[in-house]
Amino acid sequence: QVQLQESGPGLVKPSETLSLTCTVSGGSISTYYWSWIRQPPGKGLEWIGWIYYSGSTNYNPSLKSRVTISVDTSKNQLSLKLSSVSAADTALYYCARVQGGYTYGFEYWGQGTLVTVSS
Amino acid sequence: DIQMTQSPSSLSASVGDRVTITCRASQSVTSYLNWYQQKPGKAPKLLIYAASSLQSGVPSRFSGGGSGTDFTLTISSLQPEDFSTYYCQQSDSTPWTFGQGTKVEIK
Repeated sequence: QVQLQESGPGLVKPSETLSLTCTVSGGSISTYYWSWIRQPPGKGLEWIGWIYYSGSTNYNPSLKSRVTISVDTSKNQLSLKLSSVSAADTALYYCARVQGGYTYGFEYWGQGTLVTVSS
Repeated sequence: DIQMTQSPSSLSASVGDRVTITCRASQSVTSYLNWYQQKPGKAPKLLIYAASSLQSGVPSRFSGGGSGTDFTLTISSLQPEDFSTYYCQQSDSTPWTFGQGTKVEIK
């Protein structure tokens, strides 16, 4: 069974860079698309971007200038970096695997990790 | 960006009721529409993909329909474990976007 686990600091200061890692177990990171999705407390879901195992990426334009998603196939991990954070970036951050190549939804999710932006 | 609008935002229903949630896209997403269930403190769970295909392991009381801009998620007979928040999501074009959610509560 494929499992995803997010990890990283739970508290980040304003203007700094948020850095998270998603470790994939029970399956290879190869041949799939992977995404980061976030959810502010008590609110809805926002797609951040996707990465293909080869390294190609696609980001939400609303975050594009601040986001970098990368993949390390040797470690079966993907990473998220979000720069110049503010309180508006406080959210539960999920990594997820995309089903069916590209367009058939997010079939596996991590449990999520809460990141709070505060001084 | 394609805007996804769900209705209603919340509803109250009883066990055994038939429940239908609607999702409307601001432009056609063909059939690239997915539905998720989210319980408090948990990650969303994929229920329906490609508008009407039931995800493996999901009970058959869940069904999806529609194409273009108008879609539905139907629960044929609501069970106690179905009281959750439901989200639609389009994967036709990036940025992929979600509806605002529909909370299904116990009457």
